Amino acid sequence: TQLLEQSPQFLSIQEGENLTVYCNSSSVFSSLQWYRQEPGEGPVLLVTVVTGGEVKKLKRLTFQFGDARKDSSLHITAAQPGDTGLYLCAGEDSGNTPLVFGKGTRLSVIA
Amino acid sequence: DVKVTQSSRYLVKRTGEKVFLECVQDMDHENMFWYRQDPGLGLRLIYFSYDVKMKEKGDIPEGYSVSREKKERFSLILESASTNQTSMYLCASSSSGVGNEKLFFGSGTQLSVL
Repeated sequence: TQLLEQSPQFLSIQEGENLTVYCNSSSVFSSLQWYRQEPGEGPVLLVTVVTGGEVKKLKRLTFQFGDARKDSSLHITAAQPGDTGLYLCAGEDSGNTPLVFGKGTRLSVIA
Repeated sequence: DVKVTQSSRYLVKRTGEKVFLECVQDMDHENMFWYRQDPGLGLRLIYFSYDVKMKEKGDIPEGYSVSREKKERFSLILESASTNQTSMYLCASSSSGVGNEKLFFGSGTQLSVL
């Protein structure tokens, strides 16, 4: 069974600080996705990374896929209260199987 | 705007009741999924379906069944609700294809079994 470990589990920071959250596995994934879930809502896809070493930017969010396609990181620059939420990574196998989700990092940005 | 709609945001049921959770998507997606989400345990896949009339067990199917009679509708059934099925239930859909599957989620149903 493929597993994705996310760290840290919880993160509480002040507005304006930078942060990085991690998603690690011992398995190789064909692609990796990051979702954000706000309170009372379902997760929403932020980005998909496909190529080993790939870096994608979404405004103040930077996503990186590890060279070996086993891990990924999400870096947020100058965090805002609107970044508050649960960040989930999800890995896609090469076969026709459902996504594997990590347990998430719950981020709280305090104004 | 594309949508996955879950019939109830909040539901309170009694132990032993039969419970139906409905999910409808308007994107003509082939794939549909049911997850439950619990603090500290993340998203756990209950059942999924890659086509009408088709269903596959996920990681935690015990105590649940599903029905997919039409492409746009995927129902989750708790045959005899128990307190340990109190949870947030999330429905999702995606289109079939090769790679880069993108899931669209509903807003969830918070089920309490008393």
